[in-house]
Amino acid sequence: GNSVTQMEGPVTLSEEAFLTINCTYTATGYPSLFWYVQYPGEGLQLLLKATKADDKGSNKGFEATYRKETTSFHLEKGSVQVSDSAVYFCALRALPSRAGGTSYGKLTFGQGTILTVHP
Amino acid sequence: NAGVTQTPKFRILKIGQSMTLQCTQDMNHNYMYWYRQDPGMGLKLIYYSVGAGITDKGEVPNGYNVSRSTTEDFPLRLELAAPSQTSVYFCASSSQRGGVSYEQYFGPGTRLTVT
Repeated sequence: GNSVTQMEGPVTLSEEAFLTINCTYTATGYPSLFWYVQYPGEGLQLLLKATKADDKGSNKGFEATYRKETTSFHLEKGSVQVSDSAVYFCALRALPSRAGGTSYGKLTFGQGTILTVHP
Repeated sequence: NAGVTQTPKFRILKIGQSMTLQCTQDMNHNYMYWYRQDPGMGLKLIYYSVGAGITDKGEVPNGYNVSRSTTEDFPLRLELAAPSQTSVYFCASSSQRGGVSYEQYFGPGTRLTVT
């Protein structure tokens, strides 16, 4: 089956530090890949996505590149801010199980990584 | 624009009680989903719906039921609550076209404790 593995947290950084959160996946074919962010007390929000190999998703200074050869989608940011403190989830949307079918948008999530940024 | 709303925000249940978690979206999305989030774990899909009157099981459906009588509403029912159902529950919705689904929008969650 499909699975997503994220690096263990929590991650604690000082403001302006470089951030990497590792994400690897197992799936057949070429799934779409996502990073979601959950701020305290809120639901998940889509941060960025990539739908095919070598695509780079980017948003709010965050980037992630879809690497088919290493089945990875690591999240990076060059200079984090206190406001980036949140839980980050890597997720995949698998291809339909048959040609012409649909996966109905079902997502498989990693376990989440807590990021805390100190001033 | 309210997006996806969930009620209640918090609830404590005793073992064996039942309750319904409400979810409403105002974006006219066909697809809706219920997830649970356990500490240190990712979200697990409980049930999903591709339109009014159509629902199907996700990864962890046992102990839950759903219905979808309208496009807007997708309530999740817990019968005979058990401590294993202590979790945070998220509802989400997405649009679709030609069988391809787009971004999922999440509600703020319901924190449920069963004691």
